Amino acid sequence: DAGVTQSPTHLIKTRGQQVTLRCSPKSGHDTVSWYQQALGQGPQFIFQYYEEEERQRGNFPDRFSGHQFPNYSSELNVNALLLGDSALYLCASSIGVQETQYFGPGTRLLVL
Amino acid sequence: KNEVEQSPQNLTAQEGEFITINCSYSVGISALHWLQQHPGGGIVSLFMLSSGKKKHGRLIATINIQEKHSSLHITASHPRDSAVYICAARRNTDKLIFGTGTRLQVFP
Repeated sequence: DAGVTQSPTHLIKTRGQQVTLRCSPKSGHDTVSWYQQALGQGPQFIFQYYEEEERQRGNFPDRFSGHQFPNYSSELNVNALLLGDSALYLCASSIGVQETQYFGPGTRLLVL
Repeated sequence: KNEVEQSPQNLTAQEGEFITINCSYSVGISALHWLQQHPGGGIVSLFMLSSGKKKHGRLIATINIQEKHSSLHITASHPRDSAVYICAARRNTDKLIFGTGTRLQVFP
């Protein structure tokens, strides 16, 4: 059983560009949460998707958007990239919103 | 002040030592998570608890809801335990709020 997978593993972009990160949840999981982890910091909650809808959102600007597909996989889109968007982006899946979250390996984004 | 505070920030230990990492939170929670993050970023969920104590192998997690405090203990520590340990409080709204982590290094 594959756990949570994310792609790509690493990505380099320049300021102003747009990026799409992808997450496939653990088998049987229907809820996906996205987190941003800056270097040396704990993860910060971006948003959570359940039943293809954004259910919760953290303190992130509208440049950060997402989507959940019928197969429960999810995308995180970031527009108009800033240098400060450089971070590790983690996806976590769970069964429903209350259960233990399982984390993916993350996508490391560098904005130059 | 962060809503979730961990201490210490950095911890070094000799193999075999008993280790305690502390987590205090200032918000109402429905559960508290302990996570382990290895170099490179991969995060493993160790415990989710809302009361009392849980044990898994050499790891023990406790929580005191009244005092808003949780501890993660590692008995007979081993170099492979070296990682960043993060506590995360699940708000009543289901949002997770993370501490900044405790970097543990265990030397042989």
